[in-house]
Amino acid sequence: DGGITQSPKYLFRKEGQNVTLSCEQNLNHDAMYWYRQDPGQGLRLIYYSQIVNDFQKGDIAEGYSVSREKKESFPLTVTSAQKNPTAFYLCASSSTGGFSQPQHFGDGTRLSIL
Amino acid sequence: AQTVTQSQPEMSVQEAETVTLSCTYDTSESNYYLFWYKQPPSRQMILVIRQEAYKQQNATENRFSVNFQKAAKSFSLKISDSQLGDTAMYFCAFMKLWDYKYIFGTGTRLKVLA
Repeated sequence: DGGITQSPKYLFRKEGQNVTLSCEQNLNHDAMYWYRQDPGQGLRLIYYSQIVNDFQKGDIAEGYSVSREKKESFPLTVTSAQKNPTAFYLCASSSTGGFSQPQHFGDGTRLSIL
Repeated sequence: AQTVTQSQPEMSVQEAETVTLSCTYDTSESNYYLFWYKQPPSRQMILVIRQEAYKQQNATENRFSVNFQKAAKSFSLKISDSQLGDTAMYFCAFMKLWDYKYIFGTGTRLKVLA
């Protein structure tokens, strides 16, 4: 079955440490996205990529970095510069062809500070 | 910039009854798409229904239907014959044509009571 796989499900970060969240999709989608979800704030866009080797900042990119070396993969690194990383992170993908293409979401990664 | 507003943070409904969730948006675009997503306690985001702005007919998916008022920039979700499994956060989302970026509302937490 096609879908989006996020790993790990739970992640803990120590102070000053960078951590990387994995997102892999086998839907053959061109576009991939990373969102941060905090209580009462909905989903906020961190980064997105519409094609391999290209990505754009979203609304809250500071303290995060991404890469898009393969169509299937869009890892997110939470750097030590992100002072409040505790949140639920969702990865999504969508086709960029045709009309009203919905986003498909992974199951999320919950990141906490030790 | 586009914005999406969900003014009802929490709602409850008795099982088998009907409930309507509100969503308004602000845009100067004429071609766009609107979506409702459901996020149950498992945190998996599930597409409920979508609406193309150029279509006057309201979208329907089984027990879920929308009331799309383009001039009023309103996109409400009606859930008929509510079931316990409908208990979830519901997010309204906006996407400009060919942009592929979603703008999400802050969500409405719906609880279906037995």
